[in-house]
Amino acid sequence: KAGVTQTPRYLIKTRGQQVTLSCSPISGHRSVSWYQQTPGQGLQFLFEYFSETQRNKGNFPGRFSGRQFSNSRSEMNVSTLELGDSALYLCASSLQLEDGQYFGPGTRLTVL
Amino acid sequence: AQSVAQPEDQVNVAEGNPLTVKCTYSVSGNPYLFWYVQYPNRGLQFLLKYITGDNLVKGSYGFEAEFNKSQTSFHLKKPSALVSDSALYFCAVRDNAGKSTFGDGTTLTVKP
Repeated sequence: KAGVTQTPRYLIKTRGQQVTLSCSPISGHRSVSWYQQTPGQGLQFLFEYFSETQRNKGNFPGRFSGRQFSNSRSEMNVSTLELGDSALYLCASSLQLEDGQYFGPGTRLTVL
Repeated sequence: AQSVAQPEDQVNVAEGNPLTVKCTYSVSGNPYLFWYVQYPNRGLQFLLKYITGDNLVKGSYGFEAEFNKSQTSFHLKKPSALVSDSALYFCAVRDNAGKSTFGDGTTLTVKP
């Protein structure tokens, strides 16, 4: 089976712009979660989707949003980018809640 | 609110010696507990999980973890460490609404 894929792998944006990141989960996985990883804050949970429904959301401002499509692919969007949004954004998928998550390689976002 | 604590930023072990990476957690209800590993320049990988049942769970690469409900701990262990085990280890808890919380990570260094 192919692993979790994320596109693009690298992005450079300027403050005020918006960005859309994409994630394709492992085939058959219906749960997709997004995380922000930074050296100072570690791994922070953004949101989790299951069968196109957002079931939970972390403590991030409304500028961070996401969605999941019927084929389980997911996108996350960040609007009005700030310098502090520079981070590695990780997507992870799992079959069910009680299963381990499989992580993609991440999208490295740099905001200038 | 759920939380995960990894009290040691760094653990140093000699090759061949047993290793323990500590984790304590706080969550409402029955926890889903996980360990993940991040090797240098590679993505996060699922190691093992505890859902219910035996308190000692076995995972990949010879790792195991001991669940202790009274101490709310889920320590990662390996009887004999390898230099190739050197990596960053994360403990995580997931609730039944899909929200995941990760610890800050522990860097394991195994010296020959």
